[in-house]
Amino acid sequence: DAGITQSPRHKVTETGTPVTLRCHQTENHRYMYWYRQDPGHGLRLIHYSYGVKDTDKGEVSDGYSVSRSKTEDFLLTLESATSSQTSVYFCAISDRRVTDTQYFGPGTRLTVL
Amino acid sequence: GENVEQHPSTLSVQEGDSAVIKCTYSDSASNYFPWYKQELGKRPQLIIDIRSNVGEKKDQRIAVTLNKTAKHFSLHITETQPEDSAVYFCAASPFGTYKYIFGTGTRLKVLA
Repeated sequence: DAGITQSPRHKVTETGTPVTLRCHQTENHRYMYWYRQDPGHGLRLIHYSYGVKDTDKGEVSDGYSVSRSKTEDFLLTLESATSSQTSVYFCAISDRRVTDTQYFGPGTRLTVL
Repeated sequence: GENVEQHPSTLSVQEGDSAVIKCTYSDSASNYFPWYKQELGKRPQLIIDIRSNVGEKKDQRIAVTLNKTAKHFSLHITETQPEDSAVYFCAASPFGTYKYIFGTGTRLKVLA
């Protein structure tokens, strides 16, 4: 597996609370992504980053924000969690200057009660 | 924008039979097509990929074919085994971009 870790791996929280998920890579890849995975929907892009402090929205970005202060770290924040944000969240990295392949982290299972 | 359709959503085969999963993409600029396998509770893992300058690629029991004219690409698994049971995702990536557009996945069950 590529050097990607996610923390926490599991989290249960209550509606209305803020939540931050962390992705850390040791591959020095330029691009980092946050996806959510729900049954019947496959992998849907939330936000991505193309460099330090450079981020943009994906197809399901409402209710989420991101930050990237270092090449190796990409944070996903749910400002006020809702039950519809219960999902499995995957971080991914890529760098097409080096390889076409996109690598995934181990995932974070988030439950919002 | 780019869209990837994947069929079927579920597939059951007898052990030893072949399985075929098909994807269609919309953006003619796509030039990289990976396939991922995801076992229950695990991350998606790349199993094979193909680039637009190649029509077919094989790796032991798995193969991928690409028809650029029709914008179709397919995953073929021969001599299926119980450990092939998983969810498989196709994706397409346009040249020079960060984007990887995923299909909705196929749940493959190999029956012993």
